[in-house]
Amino acid sequence: DARVTQTPRHKVTEMGQEVTMRCQPILGHNTVFWYRQTMMQGLELLAYFRNRAPLDDSGMPKDRFSAEMPDATLATLKIQPSEPRDSAVYFCASGPRGGNTGELFFGEGSRLTVL
Amino acid sequence: QKEVEQNSGPLSVPEGAIASLNCTYSDRGSQSFFWYRQYSGKSPELIMSIYSNGDKEDGRFTAQLNKASQYVSLLIRDSQPSDSATYLCAVNRPGYALNFGKGTSLLVTP
Repeated sequence: DARVTQTPRHKVTEMGQEVTMRCQPILGHNTVFWYRQTMMQGLELLAYFRNRAPLDDSGMPKDRFSAEMPDATLATLKIQPSEPRDSAVYFCASGPRGGNTGELFFGEGSRLTVL
Repeated sequence: QKEVEQNSGPLSVPEGAIASLNCTYSDRGSQSFFWYRQYSGKSPELIMSIYSNGDKEDGRFTAQLNKASQYVSLLIRDSQPSDSATYLCAVNRPGYALNFGKGTSLLVTP
């Protein structure tokens, strides 16, 4: 069945290391979102793509985070260098073409721990 | 900062009762409203959407919207232990990304 696929599911790394998270949106979906979830802040938007073009990355710390969609089947989120405060669950979500940007299908998330 | 506010809970209701979850939002430009359910350790899942004032029913779930009061609610009738989860309210303007509340934890006790 169609689903959003995220890798890795879990990542433990040391401060200063580069982290790359990947997302395969549902085939045919043309909107992709990256959200970060922590107990304190809840779900925060990091990046939003439509047809592979970035539309909103205002919530993303620009000095260390970057998000790209090299093609329609792959979205990436990179953190370089990582810091302990980046520890969170990172969710990728996609939405269908022509649908409301609120009707999202979430991946299972990537749980990041930065020591 | 456009805010979506929810009581964090936990809200505890007995099995078979009605659970009432509430949400307020600050952006008057919001036009679409959603409820997502998130089980512990899992990802959010869309359960209800509502776009116009009034009630929308889907099975045991009813979403209510009052744009004048900037208020959204979710009623769960005949609550079951399997409904125990965190319920996230989310809103957006057309074409914009969702803005989520921090969620209300619901516990349905047998």
